[in-house]
Amino acid sequence: AQSVTQLGSHVSVSEGALVLLRCNYSSSVPPYLFWYVQYPNQGLQLLLKYTTGATLVKGINGFEAEFKKSETSFHLTKPSAHMSDAAEYFCAVSGAGGTSYGKLTFGQGTILTVHP
Amino acid sequence: DTEVTQTPKHLVMGMTNKKSLKCEQHMGHRAMYWYKQKAKKPPELMFVYSYEKLSINESVPSRFSPECPNSSLLNLHLHALQPEDSALYLCASSAKTSMSRDNEQYFGPGTRLTVT
Repeated sequence: AQSVTQLGSHVSVSEGALVLLRCNYSSSVPPYLFWYVQYPNQGLQLLLKYTTGATLVKGINGFEAEFKKSETSFHLTKPSAHMSDAAEYFCAVSGAGGTSYGKLTFGQGTILTVHP
Repeated sequence: DTEVTQTPKHLVMGMTNKKSLKCEQHMGHRAMYWYKQKAKKPPELMFVYSYEKLSINESVPSRFSPECPNSSLLNLHLHALQPEDSALYLCASSAKTSMSRDNEQYFGPGTRLTVT
């Protein structure tokens, strides 16, 4: 079975600082990985995804993530945080076998706070 | 149009009531999903429809009854709910069916349900 673990339930940064949200995965096959963002009282929005090919993936709103097989990681970064980035971020993996095929399994989420 | 709409935004219902949640998408997507999200938790998959047929039921209690009248609409009928069913109910859709691992899902804003 595939799973993801997000390290740090809360991350706080200053406006203009680097954003780093950590996600590690567990998968017996090459994983398909996603990052979603959820603003307060809203649904989830896809930021970016990794399926195959280039390991550095660029997404919306200036976010990017790098797939590192050797570290089983897919960390989300943004060079300079904006106040509008304050939200909850979910890493997810797409199931690869049996009844879980194609189903998204989400991490527990990381709440990002941005201070002025 | 890349939007998934959900109505109502908020719903308060008693344990003996019958109500329905509605979800609509006009992106031509062939898979639609219901998720339940409790506060400070990731979404949990409830049901998946592929080509208007129920393909996944995650052992959800029968007091939740999904319906897919056509390829654009998804309903969730609610009856005899319990207070612990209070949550944010999210609808999502994807262009590929749930049998694809590269399964970008587009989420609606959700219905905030309170059961009294």
